[in-house]
Amino acid sequence: AQTVTQSQPEMSVQEAETVTLSCTYDTSENNYYLFWYKQPPSRQMILVIRQEAYKQQNATENRFSVNFQKAAKSFSLKISDSQLGDTAMYFCAFMHPNNDMRFGAGTRLTVKP
Amino acid sequence: NAGVTQTPKFQVLKTGQSMTLQCAQDMNHEYMSWYRQDPGMGLRLIHYSVGAGITDQGEVPNGYNVSRSTTEDFPLRLLSAAPSQTSVYFCASSPGGSLYNEQFFGPGTRLTVL
Repeated sequence: AQTVTQSQPEMSVQEAETVTLSCTYDTSENNYYLFWYKQPPSRQMILVIRQEAYKQQNATENRFSVNFQKAAKSFSLKISDSQLGDTAMYFCAFMHPNNDMRFGAGTRLTVKP
Repeated sequence: NAGVTQTPKFQVLKTGQSMTLQCAQDMNHEYMSWYRQDPGMGLRLIHYSVGAGITDQGEVPNGYNVSRSTTEDFPLRLLSAAPSQTSVYFCASSPGGSLYNEQFFGPGTRLTVL
């Protein structure tokens, strides 16, 4: 079974600085998909960014980018120019092509003014 | 569009009671799913559906039933509630037949089983 590990339960960053959240996963599959979801205090789950395993180019969405290392099974999220609204739980998720979806335990990020 | 709606927002049950968590979406999405979120853990997939009349099990299906008679609705039934089912439940939908498409989540239902 696929597992997703987020080794940083909590992190903090100063406003306008850059922070990187770590995620590793375990799978024997070659084709799969990876995601980062954000859950603010409102509890609403919001997709931040996604990556297809067969694409070597790292995904980017405005201030959010990933460092996808397929051989190392690593999928870290970099948030540039952190904003107060980025304060949230961040979940890394792995999806097998058969739609089996697994989430990590999350990293609580606090952006300090 | 209302997006994904869930009812109720909060529910308290006694052990052994049954109930149905409602989920509806008005975006004509083919894919719908149910997750549970326990403290200190990420979401875990309970059941999912790739279209009306088609459902399948996720990571933690035991104790839950689903059906999909229409595109819009995907109710989750607890047959005989147990304290281990105390959790926050999220319903989600996405266009097309794959989770890879962006999932839109409902606001969640907080369920307590005494």
